[in-house]
Amino acid sequence: NAGVTQTPKFQVLKTGQSMTLQCAQDMNHEYMSWYRQDPGMGLRLIHYSVGAGITDQGEVPNGYNVSRSTTEDFPLRLLSAAPSQTSVYFCASSQSGTSGADTQYFGPGTRLTVL
Amino acid sequence: AQSVTQLDSQVPVFEEAPVELRCNYSSSVSVYLFWYVQYPNQGLQLLLKYLSGSTLVESINGFEAEFNKSQTSFHLRKPSVHISDTAEYFCAVGYFGNEKLTFGTGTRLTIIP
Repeated sequence: NAGVTQTPKFQVLKTGQSMTLQCAQDMNHEYMSWYRQDPGMGLRLIHYSVGAGITDQGEVPNGYNVSRSTTEDFPLRLLSAAPSQTSVYFCASSQSGTSGADTQYFGPGTRLTVL
Repeated sequence: AQSVTQLDSQVPVFEEAPVELRCNYSSSVSVYLFWYVQYPNQGLQLLLKYLSGSTLVESINGFEAEFNKSQTSFHLRKPSVHISDTAEYFCAVGYFGNEKLTFGTGTRLTIIP
């Protein structure tokens, strides 16, 4: 199993550009989520999905869109990049969308810089 | 609403010395508690978790954490640290029926040779 994979590893954008961060998992997990990690702020939840076709907002959803057309993939779209979106982005997955006790598996992260 | 507090943003410790990383939480319902570790330039991985039963939980690499309901704490301890323990440690809280986790701000553990 590859686990959770993310592409790209690094990305530099100019203000106003759009892009998609890719996330895929091969563990047949129902739950997938996106976090951003900023110094001194820990991990903050952007969007999450409890299964294909179902998405919901997390703590900091503004400026981001998601979709979940398959169990495996959960892309994160930046609509119009802003310097405040400079961060490290992590995708995570877990087996169930309703347990609360499952281990979450994280991808290696995407480091995004917006100039 | 749940919240997690990790008061220590950085903890320097000499190699082979003991360490405690503190975590306090607040919640109006029963919780599940987690410690995740992030090694340099990597994603997070689970270190240990408390779901129910024995209040002392252990990891495979010598860390342990004790759930204290009265003090709403879940501190992480290791009796003797190694250079390889250098990482950032995150405490997280979740609850039954909801996969969303709330993370603390993290504690960076630095081991001094």
